[in-house]
Amino acid sequence: AQSVAQPEDQVNVAEGNPLTVKCTYSVSGNPYLFWYVQYPNRGLQFLLKYITGDNLVKGSYGFEAEFNKSQTSFHLKKPSALVSDSALYFCAVRDRVGSNDYKLSFGAGTTVTVRA
Amino acid sequence: SAVISQKPSRDICQRGTSLTIQCQVDSQVTMMFWYRQQPGQSLTLIATANQGSEATYESGFVIDKFPISRPNLTFSTLTVSNMSPEDSSIYLCSVLTGLGNTIYFGEGSWLTVV
Repeated sequence: AQSVAQPEDQVNVAEGNPLTVKCTYSVSGNPYLFWYVQYPNRGLQFLLKYITGDNLVKGSYGFEAEFNKSQTSFHLKKPSALVSDSALYFCAVRDRVGSNDYKLSFGAGTTVTVRA
Repeated sequence: SAVISQKPSRDICQRGTSLTIQCQVDSQVTMMFWYRQQPGQSLTLIATANQGSEATYESGFVIDKFPISRPNLTFSTLTVSNMSPEDSSIYLCSVLTGLGNTIYFGEGSWLTVV
């Protein structure tokens, strides 16, 4: 079984400050990990992914995420948040075990509000 | 990435009716999926749309309620049958391309059942 936890329903930061959105996961084997963003009244947009290799992955709009196997975490970060980063962020995982099963499991989502 | 178009983008539907959502991709894709996002909730996989054969449904979803077609590598439909207000959700088409492990999503179809 695979699952994702996003422990914070909401994250509020001031523009220009660092932004962190937390994600922990549970899988049987090694994970594929993803972050998606959903702007108001829009679908999901892919931000970044961890498949293998360097634990720090960089993605769209200046976001990055760090894979930490020992803590089973994949926190999303941005060094300097913008008001336009205000959105709903989803972490998702897929287990490598049974790699023909492409089903993603999503976290509950974290609403990010960046105030000017 | 692939460009994924969904129709309709929004609709208000009467209780007891059915609605078919179309998903068109601008290139051939390996796999197509349908997800549901209920108000204020996360995403739940409804089914994997298989080309030329019956879709593979997740637990809690059945073909009679959510019939799915995928006649070719770029197109799929999801029908929401005999709708009730509980079916008010965003329905999202998603695809896995042959280039990697990333699943991309369409803009969604926002259905309200009254």
